[in-house]
Amino acid sequence: DSGVTQTPKHLITATGQRVTLRCSPRSGDLSVYWYQQSLDQGLQFLIQYYNGEERAKGNILERFSAQQFPDLHSELNLSSLELGDSALYFCASSVGEQNYGYTFGSGTRLTVV
Amino acid sequence: GENVEQHPSTLSVQEGDSAVIKCTYSDSASNYFPWYKQELGKRPQLIIDIRSNVGEKKDQRIAVTLNKTAKHFSLHITETQPEDSAVYFCAARRALGANNLFFGTGTRLTVIP
Repeated sequence: DSGVTQTPKHLITATGQRVTLRCSPRSGDLSVYWYQQSLDQGLQFLIQYYNGEERAKGNILERFSAQQFPDLHSELNLSSLELGDSALYFCASSVGEQNYGYTFGSGTRLTVV
Repeated sequence: GENVEQHPSTLSVQEGDSAVIKCTYSDSASNYFPWYKQELGKRPQLIIDIRSNVGEKKDQRIAVTLNKTAKHFSLHITETQPEDSAVYFCAARRALGANNLFFGTGTRLTVIP
């Protein structure tokens, strides 16, 4: 157990629907990062939050949004889902903005049918 | 932003042989270079990292080298074992600004018993 908790582990939904993925960082970690990993692909950075504020944005679609709450958990919202959104979505956390390492959660596997 | 290239995309070695994976990065301001191992369907796990003020780091059978001038870094695994079979990702982080990691595209390593 890495200490980073992601729920749900698996999600199957239809095209056009909206889903919410949840991430609880390791205790004491203030930064949360979201990554998308499509089948046999690399890790694409989506967005980072630090202590409730957005810090960096990567290749995140306009249909996707995220936030980090006062208790530091984060949610990634995916709307108007398309077949191509099927992927593993990983959350990672680190202590601070300039902390070097971060730890990944076990991921949420999203399947859009 | 940072661009990380990784080679080869697949690598097969005989058990006991060495494996080398190479990465290049584009941003000379990057100062942190971790390597992650991802087994099938699991989360990426940090196996070793190196900072820009160090040229080489070793941890048992794993070593990483960094050439700042050439902007490339490499992962070396000696005496490979079947359990080393996985996808390996290199990454780079910039010294200033957002501290999200930029990942390479991954190398699928297969160790043949």
